[in-house]
Amino acid sequence: SQQGEEDPQALSIQEGENATMNCSYKTSINNLQWYRQNSGRGLVHLILIRSNEREKHSGRLRVTLDTSKKSSSLLITASRAADTASYFCATDNKAAGNKLTFGGGTRVLVKP
Amino acid sequence: NAGVTQTPKFQVLKTGQSMTLQCAQDMNHNSMYWYRQDPGMGLRLIYYSASEGTTDKGEVPNGYNVSRLNKREFSLRLESAAPSQTSVYFCASSEAPGGSPLHFGNGTRLTVT
Repeated sequence: SQQGEEDPQALSIQEGENATMNCSYKTSINNLQWYRQNSGRGLVHLILIRSNEREKHSGRLRVTLDTSKKSSSLLITASRAADTASYFCATDNKAAGNKLTFGGGTRVLVKP
Repeated sequence: NAGVTQTPKFQVLKTGQSMTLQCAQDMNHNSMYWYRQDPGMGLRLIYYSASEGTTDKGEVPNGYNVSRLNKREFSLRLESAAPSQTSVYFCASSEAPGGSPLHFGNGTRLTVT
């Protein structure tokens, strides 16, 4: 079963625009992580946000966490063609024995 | 640093054949994981090893076995491959279970005919 569910499943934007994707989850978490996967490659860790944090930034990435709504968002500002990838959220929760559970991902296409 | 290395990159098996997927990490991480990725399903945990000498089942362990050979290496074995095991398999490692970021290999693409 998937703890995190990303929305939308796919997103197409022009270079320079912002991309926003959301992740919803079902049970209480210790932390939530976002990963990127380029075609044919493994996942790369982007950012980790703990349950007691509300917002985190890393370069052009901004992640928010709303534990009351059990949701998180990933914003990529001023997107580039190189941001074309699939993005996954993953939750770490006690119910899953502190193992990461991944969502189905959002496919992002940035058109030059 | 190589990070997490998986071999082979591609494999085609016939139903009933066996094979072992190899994984090694050079980051001195304690925890290692095997995931499978299927279209539209995200990643699902097959087995994990929280530390050297321990292994535990994940979400989809049926049809698989694992061995944590030492701190660096964690192998995944398919004893009798089935078409339902056609997937992309990813090995990952982390400093500790739970809150640490995962470092992934580039995957093994397995087709079972």
